[in-house]
Amino acid sequence: GAGVSQTPSNKVTEKGKYVELRCDPISGHTALYWYRQSLGQGPEFLIYFQGTGAADDSGLPNDRFFAVRPEGSVSTLKIQRTERGDSAVYLCASSFLAGGTDTQYFGPGTRLTVL
Amino acid sequence: GEDVEQSLFLSVREGDSSVINCTYTDSSSTYLYWYKQEPGAGLQLLTYIFSNMDMKQDQRLTVLLNKKDKHLSLRIADTQTGDSAIYFCAEISGGGNKLTFGTGTQLKVEL
Repeated sequence: GAGVSQTPSNKVTEKGKYVELRCDPISGHTALYWYRQSLGQGPEFLIYFQGTGAADDSGLPNDRFFAVRPEGSVSTLKIQRTERGDSAVYLCASSFLAGGTDTQYFGPGTRLTVL
Repeated sequence: GEDVEQSLFLSVREGDSSVINCTYTDSSSTYLYWYKQEPGAGLQLLTYIFSNMDMKQDQRLTVLLNKKDKHLSLRIADTQTGDSAIYFCAEISGGGNKLTFGTGTQLKVEL
């Protein structure tokens, strides 16, 4: 049973470029979450999907950030016109359902560096 | 808004007990969690406690919750070098689904 996988593991880009980060949740998990972890900080919530729809996108910092989950499985986090402040580890998690007792299983993250 | 705070660093000797503390502000927190993060690895859920409980024990781990003071602690008995990692407390409040994490406590276990 594979866990949550994320690709790429590392991404280096230049300021102003567009990037896509991919998350493959655990098979059968209906809920998918994106978090961002800056150096020396705890993860911060970005967006949560229940199935194909974004149930809560209140953590997205601005309209340069967008995420999709078109078939209710794989999700892509898209960042336009990247800025140096976007540099962080982007974590994806999935859970079978959504709710407090449903464990969120985290992937290893994608380390994004914007030069 | 929610705020979760932890001390940044803890150093213990192998075999001693470690106690990692966390305070939170959201009185509607329903579930509180402890996650472990090792270098280059994802977050691993260690344990969680529902807000109507005071204590939960799971092998070497004991979680204590003081809801009145909004204080959560994680005690690791017989701490081993493999326990060296960053430990995050996190909470989910109300009917929400997003985790709010603390800043993490780096635990260093010395021989």
